[in-house]
Amino acid sequence: KQEVTQIPAALSVPEGENLVLNCSFTDSAIYNLQWFRQDPGKGLTSLLLIQSSQREQTSGRLNASLDKSSGRSTLYIAASQPGDSATYLCAVYNYGQNFVFGPGTRLSVLP
Amino acid sequence: DVKVTQSSRYLVKRTGEKVFLECVQDMDHENMFWYRQDPGLGLRLIYFSYDVKMKEKGDIPEGYSVSREKKERFSLILESASTNQTSMYLCASTLTLGVNEQFFGPGTRLTVL
Repeated sequence: KQEVTQIPAALSVPEGENLVLNCSFTDSAIYNLQWFRQDPGKGLTSLLLIQSSQREQTSGRLNASLDKSSGRSTLYIAASQPGDSATYLCAVYNYGQNFVFGPGTRLSVLP
Repeated sequence: DVKVTQSSRYLVKRTGEKVFLECVQDMDHENMFWYRQDPGLGLRLIYFSYDVKMKEKGDIPEGYSVSREKKERFSLILESASTNQTSMYLCASTLTLGVNEQFFGPGTRLTVL
């Protein structure tokens, strides 16, 4: 059964720093991987979707990469801002197992 | 933009009450999901539906049922609410499994007293 982990569990950085969030999964037979952002008490907001055939996706200051064979994805945030403070979750989709979510990384960007 | 709406942001119910949570999506998505999110346990799938009147159990279906009479609407029903069902409930939808993004609603914070 697919398992998804995210390291670190929490991260605190000063404003302006570039940072990397990690997502690992045990079953590499995924169809896609999606990164989300969640603000406290709110729903999940989709950030990036990477199909299994893709290596990376970019949106503004965000870049997500996927190495399916090693079971890893990274979310790179450039020039972090206090407004980036949130919990970031990754989720993978395997046929027959539905979506499996990681526990999230809680990010704090300090002014 | 895809929009997923949920009927209530906050709900307080008493033990034993029947509770209805409703979710509506406006993008003609085939697939809809109900999750609950608890600290330390993450997001867990309760039920999903891949078509009108079709449903599949997720990881934690006990104590819940669902209804999908129209494509845009997916309801979660707590037949007899219990305190251990106090949680954040999240609805999501996607067009094609394994291909398209999953979009989430704002969530319903349910408290069962």
